[in-house]
Amino acid sequence: DGGITQSPKYLFRKEGQNVTLSCEQNLNHDAMYWYRQDPGQGLRLIYYSQIVNDFQKGDIAEGYSVSREKKESFPLTVTSAQKNPTAFYLCASSPGPIPTYEQYFGPGTRLTVT
Amino acid sequence: LAKTTQPISMDSYEGQEVNITCSHNNIATNDYITWYQQFPSQGPRFIIQGYKTKVTNEVASLFIPADRKSSTLSLPRVSLSDTAVYYCLVGDRYSSASKIIFGSGTRLSIRP
Repeated sequence: DGGITQSPKYLFRKEGQNVTLSCEQNLNHDAMYWYRQDPGQGLRLIYYSQIVNDFQKGDIAEGYSVSREKKESFPLTVTSAQKNPTAFYLCASSPGPIPTYEQYFGPGTRLTVT
Repeated sequence: LAKTTQPISMDSYEGQEVNITCSHNNIATNDYITWYQQFPSQGPRFIIQGYKTKVTNEVASLFIPADRKSSTLSLPRVSLSDTAVYYCLVGDRYSSASKIIFGSGTRLSIRP
């Protein structure tokens, strides 16, 4: 079955700790994205990557970092510099290197920082 | 950027046809209209995309008038499982990722 996996589904961390969220896809897609969603709100773009070893900041990149060492993996690190990290994090991918409106999303990771 | 406006919420009943309208008055020539569905605590799911007139797939239909300043997502004979948030997005089909904006969407509630 092709798709996007995110792990874990729920994550709890203490304030001041960095935490890395996993995103893996076996769709052979070139582009991958990270979004953040707060309760009752739409999605906001954190980072995206069009090809391996390249990524671009989205609208709310401050306090986050990413890497794209393999085509199928795009992990997101939430650093202690992120002022309000508690949120629902969604990873997505799309075919081809050019970002497109037809994106495929993973199930999400709900991060709670206390 | 073509800004979209859609109702915050809608209610309907099982078996009814539901139409959700999205306004996009300043849509550009190269822009497409895309709709997503999101269930609670899940990632959004691509439903349908269109440029003009009508597009239909196994899930929904998308109606786009000639002036393209609005569009209507039509869900035939809804069931309780269609309760979700629906997002309307407008932009160049292949676009800078930072321009792909998910607004707050329309929260659709289906009742028995």
